[in-house]
Amino acid sequence: QKEVEQDPGPLSVPEGAIVSLNCTYSNSAFQYFMWYRQYSRKGPELLMYTYSSGNKEDGRFTAQVDKSSKYISLFIRDSQPSDSATYLCAMLEYGNKLVFGAGTILRVKS
Amino acid sequence: DAGVTQSPTHLIKTRGQQVTLRCSPKSGHDTVSWYQQALGQGPQFIFQYYEEEERQRGNFPDRFSGHQFPNYSSELNVNALLLGDSALYLCASRDGQFNSPLHFGNGTRLTVT
Repeated sequence: QKEVEQDPGPLSVPEGAIVSLNCTYSNSAFQYFMWYRQYSRKGPELLMYTYSSGNKEDGRFTAQVDKSSKYISLFIRDSQPSDSATYLCAMLEYGNKLVFGAGTILRVKS
Repeated sequence: DAGVTQSPTHLIKTRGQQVTLRCSPKSGHDTVSWYQQALGQGPQFIFQYYEEEERQRGNFPDRFSGHQFPNYSSELNVNALLLGDSALYLCASRDGQFNSPLHFGNGTRLTVT
């Protein structure tokens, strides 16, 4: 069993839709949770960085962490074609060893 | 303010050869990590360098080695290349604050034939 599970998609939505991306994990020692966006031929770009359970909002993005269920989510409101990318969840116990999900491919159609 | 820069952007090598990849961290960052990203997969942690020493290592063989220089830049070396080493190699850096987030470069695409 992988430490972090993420549905690879692709997820295809119309412009303006609310997008929900999710990851589950098995290691209860993970303390920090991140979402990265990766465009084709580019490196991952940090979108959200959270520590505790609960919600964190930044513009059109909301990250949600439920440590009791070992489940994290990223919501994108009013999705745009420019949001089309691969979204990677990542988790950290300590140091620099991020553990990533496989990534979900998102396509927003105009 | 330049972010994390990596060179070269693309590289083609033959099985058995050796390769060196280079990384300059974001300004103000002193900790560098390397990740390997196979096609269709998430990045996997190779190792981390801080104060010119390897501090943490993932599940990669000794063929993968690295170095950090006094100016915080770093190199990743891979010996005896295998076809399975073909991947995007990502460098990430962060500052010295406790558990500050990682910032990634655009990677070096290595193809082993």
